[in-house]
Amino acid sequence: EAGVAQSPRYKIIEKRQSVAFWCNPISGHATLYWYQQILGQGPKLLIQFQNNGVVDDSQLPKDRFSAERLKGVDSTLKIQPAKLEDSAVYLCASRAGEGYLYEQYFGPGTRLTVT
Amino acid sequence: RKEVEQDPGPFNVPEGATVAFNCTYSNSASQSFFWYRQDCRKEPKLLMSVYSSGNEDGRFTAQLNRASQYISLLIRDSKLSDSATYLCVVRSPGGNQFYFGTGTSLTVIP
Repeated sequence: EAGVAQSPRYKIIEKRQSVAFWCNPISGHATLYWYQQILGQGPKLLIQFQNNGVVDDSQLPKDRFSAERLKGVDSTLKIQPAKLEDSAVYLCASRAGEGYLYEQYFGPGTRLTVT
Repeated sequence: RKEVEQDPGPFNVPEGATVAFNCTYSNSASQSFFWYRQDCRKEPKLLMSVYSSGNEDGRFTAQLNRASQYISLLIRDSKLSDSATYLCVVRSPGGNQFYFGTGTSLTVIP
């Protein structure tokens, strides 16, 4: 079974520039998460989708971050404009269902450096 | 108050040692708990789930203390390959949000 795919793997941009990340979850997984992991910290949830609907985006900085999952499959996360403190790894994860038995599977992440 | 708190370590232990990590959570209604392992520059991967009074998988034992709201992970007979960051994760009650601790760094020394 193919895992969660993410691209690009690495991105370096200057502050105030824009950047977009892409995630393709495991086939058939309805739930998709975007996390931000700053060096030395655990992943922090940015947004959760159930199919193409947003379940939780309470921790998404909406003035600069946006995310969509238009067809309920792959998803994009955008930052515009980027700040230095956005330097982090952006992890995408997916789950097959909502019950407690369903494990989260993470993609390899996109490592963003803002200079 | 953070949802999940962990001692970040680092823990440096010799091969063969037993090491234990603790994690506390703030929401007493939380029902599901997990330990994830994250290798350097890699994504987190599920190590163990902890549902009721705990469970064991080979050299790894996870325990849950609801009264004190903490979860522990015990690693016996440590191997060099156990070197990683161990993340404590708590699932929100009635929901699908997962709260991660900061992680505890373990280095097993030859």
